[in-house]
Amino acid sequence: EVQLLESGGTLVQPGGSLRLSCAASRFTFSAYAMNWVRQAPGKGLELISTISAGGSATYYADSVKGRFTISRDNSKNTLYLQMNSLRAGDTAVYFCAKDRAGGATSWGQGTLVTVSS
Amino acid sequence: QSVLTQPPSVSGAPGQRVTISCTGGNSNIGSGYDVFWYQQLPGTAPKLLIFAYTTRPSGVPDRFSGSKSGTSASLAITGLQVEDEADYYCQCYDRSLSGSVFGGGTKLTVL
Repeated sequence: EVQLLESGGTLVQPGGSLRLSCAASRFTFSAYAMNWVRQAPGKGLELISTISAGGSATYYADSVKGRFTISRDNSKNTLYLQMNSLRAGDTAVYFCAKDRAGGATSWGQGTLVTVSS
Repeated sequence: QSVLTQPPSVSGAPGQRVTISCTGGNSNIGSGYDVFWYQQLPGTAPKLLIFAYTTRPSGVPDRFSGSKSGTSASLAITGLQVEDEADYYCQCYDRSLSGSVFGGGTKLTVL
């Protein structure tokens, strides 16, 4: 069974930076695109970023474009999300998810990012 | 406001059938892109229920089914059970946005 384990979520001040990681196992990580999806407290799901299997192509939602950077290290089976210039509106649980044809077939348990002074 | 519109809530009694709609447009569902459905139980990560409009991953009961017509898709749940009470989301690629989007989500209450 696919395993995805996010880490790095914490309390950070507005304007600060944070890097999330997602450790993948039990599937061929390098063969799949990967997604970051977030969910603000009491709100719905928002796909914020996608990276292709090889890492050469990326997508960002307008809400994070220019502030967040998705990357991956296929040798370490790990997905990353570098988040800069954080705002209160970025407070959410961040999930990594394995991609299949634009959908998310497997999800991690999520990591909470709180942006507050 | 998402480009995929879902009703905020639906409800049904145990044993009944409910449907959840996902209304899109010509840049997403109407263009033939796959539609995905997810179930999110309280306090947990979402779980894939349906992909490619109608296909269930292994382990998903056949009480859950998907369909598509024009620019809309639907999720049907038959034989409602108390444990089906959850939030349900649709997802589809949108070529205008060059990315995949979720619907706003639908809260299912089993009365």
